Amino acid sequence: NAGVTQTPKFQVLKTGQSMTLQCAQDMNHNSMYWYRQDPGMGLRLIYYSASEGTTDKGEVPNGYNVSRLNKREFSLRLESAAPSQTSVYFCASSAWGTAKNIQYFGAGTRLSVL
Amino acid sequence: DQQVKQNSPSLSVQEGRISILNCDYTNSMFDYFLWYKKYPAEGPTFLISISSIKDKNEDGRFTVFLNKSAKHLSLHIVPSQPGDSAVYFCAALPQGDSGYALNFGKGTSLLVTP
Repeated sequence: NAGVTQTPKFQVLKTGQSMTLQCAQDMNHNSMYWYRQDPGMGLRLIYYSASEGTTDKGEVPNGYNVSRLNKREFSLRLESAAPSQTSVYFCASSAWGTAKNIQYFGAGTRLSVL
Repeated sequence: DQQVKQNSPSLSVQEGRISILNCDYTNSMFDYFLWYKKYPAEGPTFLISISSIKDKNEDGRFTVFLNKSAKHLSLHIVPSQPGDSAVYFCAALPQGDSGYALNFGKGTSLLVTP
């Protein structure tokens, strides 16, 4: 009954360090997404993968890269972390071709960049 | 430019009474709307949705109303319970997309007091 699993749950980085946020889903969903949430803001899309083998930019892609490793896994990489990337990151997945797009979210990764 | 707007950052309601959360949108291409609920330190969870071909959808204590001419939707919770205290996000999808990303509002924090 895992759903969408994100690792790590918490991370502190220094400016300029790199890291990869991991996301895996066990619902056999085709589409996966990465969002960030900042205080007083809604969720903003960073990147998404409509299906295995494809990725596309969302609203706020700068400073990030993604990899759709397989159908289950979608990772988000910060190559050179900046304080502006301090945020809570959520991964989500949805089934392609459903009536409409109900996305299921992971519990989030809380990232601080010092 | 925020296309989905939740103009009330917070709302406080007494237990047993009705909670009404509002959402406005500007993009006339949106044709599917969702409400997500989020507890602290957890990911958003899907609550209820409505297609633009309907003006009302009900699920237990939760009802969503859609007024397309006004580009306005609302979520009614009756009766409100303390466990409903959470942040509620309104989200929208444009026509023709089943695997694309949601446009989120900034959220309304609901507090239900005993």
